Amino acid sequence: DQQVKQNSPSLSVQEGRISILNCDYTNSMFDYFLWYKKYPAEGPTFLISISSIKDKNEDGRFTVFLNKSAKHLSLHIVPSQPGDSAVYFCAASGTDSSYKLIFGSGTRLLVRP
Amino acid sequence: DAGVIQSPRHEVTEMGQEVTLRCKPISGHNSLFWYRQTMMRGLELLIYFNNNVPIDDSGMPEDRFSAKMPNASFSTLKIQPSEPRDSAVYFCASSTSLATYEQYFGPGTRLTVT
Repeated sequence: DQQVKQNSPSLSVQEGRISILNCDYTNSMFDYFLWYKKYPAEGPTFLISISSIKDKNEDGRFTVFLNKSAKHLSLHIVPSQPGDSAVYFCAASGTDSSYKLIFGSGTRLLVRP
Repeated sequence: DAGVIQSPRHEVTEMGQEVTLRCKPISGHNSLFWYRQTMMRGLELLIYFNNNVPIDDSGMPEDRFSAKMPNASFSTLKIQPSEPRDSAVYFCASSTSLATYEQYFGPGTRLTVT
């Protein structure tokens, strides 16, 4: 049973436009959420996170939104750049899951020049 | 500051052989995690350590898999004997503590078992 789902395997956007990546979760006990970016032949790189006590966290071009009632989070990248082309994973955790990170299946983002 | 270091980066071996993957976490990090990534199952946690002690190995697929952390700067994941279905990318990650959710990943070891 997938506790963290990324239903869009891929996304293509034009350079300069907004990229929106979505993630849904089923475990209401999750209280911390993270986004990772992964380039080919490299390990995932931590991008941004959000605690369940917040509904928004911003870091430069990256903003994560959390909707606890819908069990949904999203990552907004504005403006998108070709270097943002990568696979993006959302992950969730909490004391209930013993601090383990549960990863989604990833969304491949392509930013077209 | 060096990140998580994994070796080898690529490993090709024959079925039945023993495979040992190595990881050096970031200095000062007290928690270490081993993951496996496959097309079918995605990124899954195999085992994690805190202060060199294994905390949860429920993700280890079979008894053929074992992991050790003899000191704060070194961990191994061993597969014996290896099987073709073990072919995957194995990642090691570390964090300052379990309560610090942000984990930092190494570059991975691509294992191919023929």
